[in-house]
Amino acid sequence: AQTVTQSQPEMSVQEAETVTLSCTYDTSESDYYLFWYKQPPSRQMILVIRQEAYKQQNATENRFSVNFQKAAKSFSLKISDSQLGDAAMYFCAYRSRRSGNTPLVFGKGTRLSVIA
Amino acid sequence: GAVVSQHPSRVICKSGTSVKIECRSLDFQATTMFWYRQFPKQSLMLMATSNEGSKATYEQGVEKDKFLINHASLTLSTLTVTSAHPEDSSFYICSARAPGLTAKNIQYFGAGTRLSVL
Repeated sequence: AQTVTQSQPEMSVQEAETVTLSCTYDTSESDYYLFWYKQPPSRQMILVIRQEAYKQQNATENRFSVNFQKAAKSFSLKISDSQLGDAAMYFCAYRSRRSGNTPLVFGKGTRLSVIA
Repeated sequence: GAVVSQHPSRVICKSGTSVKIECRSLDFQATTMFWYRQFPKQSLMLMATSNEGSKATYEQGVEKDKFLINHASLTLSTLTVTSAHPEDSSFYICSARAPGLTAKNIQYFGAGTRLSVL
């Protein structure tokens, strides 16, 4: 079974600075998807960014980018120019591509605080 | 983007009663929906996978007779917590993925339901 590990329960960053959230995963599969979801205090899960394992290029969405190291099974999220609205729980997630019904496997999350 | 609507957002019930939570995909057809449970300050725990027109697949340790899932149409899945007890109090979240969106393989989430059993 696949597992996702987020080793940082809490992180903080100064407004306008850059922060990196870590995520590692364990799988024997070669084709899969990786995601970062954000859960603000409202508890609505919001997709931040996604990465397809077969793509070597790291995904980027505005201020959010990932460092995908497939051999190391690492998928970190970098948030640049941090804003107060970035404060939330961040969950790293894995999904197999072997079928259409495979669910997301989540890490335990990292709580990010942004300091004004 | 795709929208998943979940109702109610909050429910308080007496112990022993049943509670139904609805999850609707508003602008796409969802052949597969997922139900998660989230305890305070913890991650999402998958409870079951709901497939339209067939029985749900429950994760190990989840009582299927306790948490009844019905996915009768391509836009609606329901989770019924039967004979609820205080230990069932939690935050329940549904999620949906549609064939038309599989190219992006994104799961969209409802806003969640906070269940409090007195």
